[in-house]
Amino acid sequence: DQQVKQNSPSLSVQEGRISILNCDYTNSMFDYFLWYKKYPAEGPTFLISISSIKDKNEDGRFTVFLNKSAKHLSLHIVPSQPGDSAVYFCAASIAGGTSYGKLTFGQGTILTVHP
Amino acid sequence: GAVVSQHPSWVICKSGTSVKIECRSLDFQATTMFWYRQFPKQSLMLMATSNEGSKATYEQGVEKDKFLINHASLTLSTLTVTSAHPEDSSFYICSAIAGGNTDTQYFGPGTRLTVL
Repeated sequence: DQQVKQNSPSLSVQEGRISILNCDYTNSMFDYFLWYKKYPAEGPTFLISISSIKDKNEDGRFTVFLNKSAKHLSLHIVPSQPGDSAVYFCAASIAGGTSYGKLTFGQGTILTVHP
Repeated sequence: GAVVSQHPSWVICKSGTSVKIECRSLDFQATTMFWYRQFPKQSLMLMATSNEGSKATYEQGVEKDKFLINHASLTLSTLTVTSAHPEDSSFYICSAIAGGNTDTQYFGPGTRLTVL
């Protein structure tokens, strides 16, 4: 079963506009969430994370929102730039214990930012 | 940031042969490394957790006798796909944690395995 889901396989956005990538999860034990960016034939690169004790975390153009009751998180990129074009993965983890560091990934969303 | 390398970046082998993939943390020591595999247009699936000096912990459904993991030093973990078959063809990615939190989990560039 897919515990982390990204239901939009692709998203196309105009340069300068906002990109919103969505992610849903089913496992209520997840308490730490991350977004990664990935180019073809490369490993994922960490973008931003959020702990379940927060509902928002911001880093420059990237903001992640967490809605625990809906088990939903989103990544906002504003303004979007052509260099942001990549595959974006949402990942979830359970902090601490034997699950430390283990990530459950969504299927990814291909973001294309048009000039 | 920290760098994780993988070797080889791609490999083609015949069915029935074994293939070894190396994962190295180049500028930090990693007591824990992870191995993932990714099928086309699908998510990265965690295969196993590799701890230096101890046996790897495999996720449910992953055959430990088929995917042998060795973490012989703080900078090197290896994944050996034994008696590879075409269904083992995939993109294998390793990651390593530097420091004390999940944000500092760095991923290698991946290895594309094709079994003929």
